[in-house]
Amino acid sequence: AQKVTQAQTEISVVEKEDVTLDCVYETRDTTYYLFWYKQPPSGELVFLIRRNSFDEQNEISGRYSWNFQKSTSSFNFTITASQVVDSAVYFCALSEARTGGFKTIFGAGTRLFVKA
Amino acid sequence: NAGVTQTPKFQVLKTGQSMTLQCAQDMNHEYMSWYRQDPGMGLRLIHYSVGAGITDQGEVPNGYNVSRSTTEDFPLRLLSAAPSQTSVYFCASSYDGLKNIQYFGAGTRLSVL
Repeated sequence: AQKVTQAQTEISVVEKEDVTLDCVYETRDTTYYLFWYKQPPSGELVFLIRRNSFDEQNEISGRYSWNFQKSTSSFNFTITASQVVDSAVYFCALSEARTGGFKTIFGAGTRLFVKA
Repeated sequence: NAGVTQTPKFQVLKTGQSMTLQCAQDMNHEYMSWYRQDPGMGLRLIHYSVGAGITDQGEVPNGYNVSRSTTEDFPLRLLSAAPSQTSVYFCASSYDGLKNIQYFGAGTRLSVL
């Protein structure tokens, strides 16, 4: 079954702290894609990163980094030196091929509060 | 660039009323989908479409209908609104649903009284 679990409902940190958002997924497929999206207080959903199931190389983009481990079915997101502007809800998503199409499922999200 | 346009932005319905949430995209994307967002539940997939004339059910399809007569439009119909359908609805599109980024509309906030 296709499933994405973000066990952390809310996280609160003080500015400049590092924070890691966890994402665990379930899939029967060997080919799939994982995503992270950000939803700031304004409400729109913004793409952050995509990773395919055959690429376990970690990625760093500025203060953001992602750790993909197939052995533990995890795709964790770390923000280094957090800033107030990082306050948002972050969603992990899993996309799989299905007969006749594709399907993307999101986790429940993690709300991050960064306090000044 | 309009991207994904959802209308209306806000709507209040009475129980039993019907309505259609509109979604249009101008990026020539084949894949479109509807999600609802509820507190603590994240984004849940209602219906999706991989191209004109093709639709399929997501995680929570009951009470909703969709059709895809053109590539650009993917309306979501509530047949008989219920208070449980009070939510924020997002429409999204992508070049394909597997590996490409989804672009989201601004959302429709629906209240059913």
